[in-house]
Amino acid sequence: EDKVVQSPLSLVVHEGDTVTLNCSYEVTNFRSLLWYKQEKKAPTFLFMLTSSGIEKKSGRLSSILDKKELFSILNITATQTGDSAVYLCAVGGGGSNYKLTFGKGTLLTVNP
Amino acid sequence: DAGITQSPRHKVTETGTPVTLRCHQTENHRYMYWYRQDPGHGLRLIHYSYGVKDTDKGEVSDGYSVSRSKTEDFLLTLESATSSQTSVYFCAISEGPGSQETQYFGPGTRLLVL
Repeated sequence: EDKVVQSPLSLVVHEGDTVTLNCSYEVTNFRSLLWYKQEKKAPTFLFMLTSSGIEKKSGRLSSILDKKELFSILNITATQTGDSAVYLCAVGGGGSNYKLTFGKGTLLTVNP
Repeated sequence: DAGITQSPRHKVTETGTPVTLRCHQTENHRYMYWYRQDPGHGLRLIHYSYGVKDTDKGEVSDGYSVSRSKTEDFLLTLESATSSQTSVYFCAISEGPGSQETQYFGPGTRLLVL
């Protein structure tokens, strides 16, 4: 059974701190790993990492994929209160039909 | 934002009644998905579709059925709603394999079954 585990489950930091969110996975025929941000609404897409793209960066957010050790990290530097959200990790793999398996998420709270 | 709408956005119903949720997309994406999201469980796949009239079960499909008669619409039906189906339901779409398998989510439907 495909499995995606995120840690920590929750995290409280102060504005300006740097945070690292973790995602480990066990999935056959790995295709991709995706990060989403979810505020009090639908998840919004952040990054997709694949064998051909193991590092992504957008502004203060960056992510790397370690296919050998089967994990990914999402880094957020100089955090702002607007970064407060649940961050979801999802992995594509297993059989065909293009399903994603989601982790339970990390709740990040950034205090002013 | 991907052109995905869900209706209704909020619904309160009684145990035993049938409920149909609609997902509509304007992106012409081939793949559509229904998830439910509950505290402590995260996003769980109910059913998905890989083309018109082509659907398959996800990990929590019991008590749910789906239909897709047009590319743009994917319907989720609770045949006889139960309190355990109180949840937030998200529809998602994707183009397909490779770099196109990113899923984009609709705004969600909050369902309360009394």
